[in-house]
Amino acid sequence: SAVISQKPSRDICQRGTSLTIQCQVDSQVTMMFWYRQQPGQSLTLIATANQGSEATYESGFVIDKFPISRPNLTFSTLTVSNMSPEDSSIYLCSVEYRGTETQYFGPGTRLLVL
Amino acid sequence: AQKITQTQPGMFVQEKEAVTLDCTYDTSDQSYGLFWYKQPSSGEMIFLIYQGSYDEQNATEGRYSLNFQKARKSANLVISASQLGDSAMYFCAMREVVSNKLTFGGGTRVLVKP
Repeated sequence: SAVISQKPSRDICQRGTSLTIQCQVDSQVTMMFWYRQQPGQSLTLIATANQGSEATYESGFVIDKFPISRPNLTFSTLTVSNMSPEDSSIYLCSVEYRGTETQYFGPGTRLLVL
Repeated sequence: AQKITQTQPGMFVQEKEAVTLDCTYDTSDQSYGLFWYKQPSSGEMIFLIYQGSYDEQNATEGRYSLNFQKARKSANLVISASQLGDSAMYFCAMREVVSNKLTFGGGTRVLVKP
């Protein structure tokens, strides 16, 4: 399994500001994903982070609100832009290795927007 | 479109007893993967077990086993000899083979009583 780290682990932010979340993996992976988990809810896929190209967003999520970068095979960032209290959630990155079908998750970033 | 249903929002189980968590799914794909994840109060998502749609044997991982009934489109998780540390949210998920996307059920909260 992967060793996946996320920074920050938690944050409290003011509305209207932006936060960038980092996801680092200990070895090269083929796929990286970003999920959101709103309070008391299940996980929802935000986007697939593509290495060297624009991320692939799911319905209901747009690049202006959730810009994503993946400059190499072990690192990705998710920015939550112009935050509102509705963005208060746990944000999780996940990775998938070549030849496997299992996604492994990072520890998550707990975000509270006031 | 895929859909994952977990009908049990919460369950109590006595320590050392077995518990079965229900999961049904709906897909028109012939090839897919089914997963169970555990989410403790810390928020991390821990991979437990995987079942491929073409696997004839039910998957087992230690105290976890997956009761896969393809015709009924169910993939129930059985936890044997429950421990206090098993108290957590449990999510069933299905993966589209082509897109690598995971779709999650609503989750079941398990509380193990001493």
